[in-house]
Amino acid sequence: DGGITQSPKYLFRKEGQNVTLSCEQNLNHDAMYWYRQDPGQGLRLIYYSQIVNDFQKGDIAEGYSVSREKKESFPLTVTSAQKNPTAFYLCASSGIELGGYTFGSGTRLTVV
Amino acid sequence: AQSVTQLDSHVSVSEGTPVLLRCNYSSSYSPSLFWYVQHPNKGLQLLLKYTSAATLVKGINGFEAEFKKSETSFHLTKPSAHMSDAAEYFCVVSRLSGGYNKLIFGAGTRLAVHP
Repeated sequence: DGGITQSPKYLFRKEGQNVTLSCEQNLNHDAMYWYRQDPGQGLRLIYYSQIVNDFQKGDIAEGYSVSREKKESFPLTVTSAQKNPTAFYLCASSGIELGGYTFGSGTRLTVV
Repeated sequence: AQSVTQLDSHVSVSEGTPVLLRCNYSSSYSPSLFWYVQHPNKGLQLLLKYTSAATLVKGINGFEAEFKKSETSFHLTKPSAHMSDAAEYFCVVSRLSGGYNKLIFGAGTRLAVHP
């Protein structure tokens, strides 16, 4: 079945560490996105990528980095510069049609 | 600029009674609108979408929504709630931004269903 796979499902990070969240899709979608979800705030866009080797900052990119070396993969690194990284992170992808996105099942990151 | 307002942060209904989740949008042109559902610790699943075809849109699991341009609303309804409908629901508007399809999310409505 086509879809988006995020891993790990749960991730714990120590203060000052960088961690990388994985996102892989087999939908042949060109565009991929990373969102952060906090309680009562909906989803906020961190980074997006429309094609391989290109990506753009979203609304809350500070403290995060991404790469897009392959069409299928869009990993997100949460750096030590992110002051409050505890959140639920969602990856999504979309095709060329004007429509909704397909979402992964999310990664819950907790700073310990 | 496009924006979405979900008028209720929490809605509670009894099983078997109707569901109404309210959403108002702001858009400078004819929008594409969506409703997504999220169960705890899960990703978002598309319930339905409006893209300027029929104003009454039917989605999965018995949900439907009506696009009312005069009221700038896109409320989500279901005739009879089921326990499995308990989840968080997001109203979303889409706009083209910098050549890509950007989704703008409402803050969400948490639906509780009581036996």
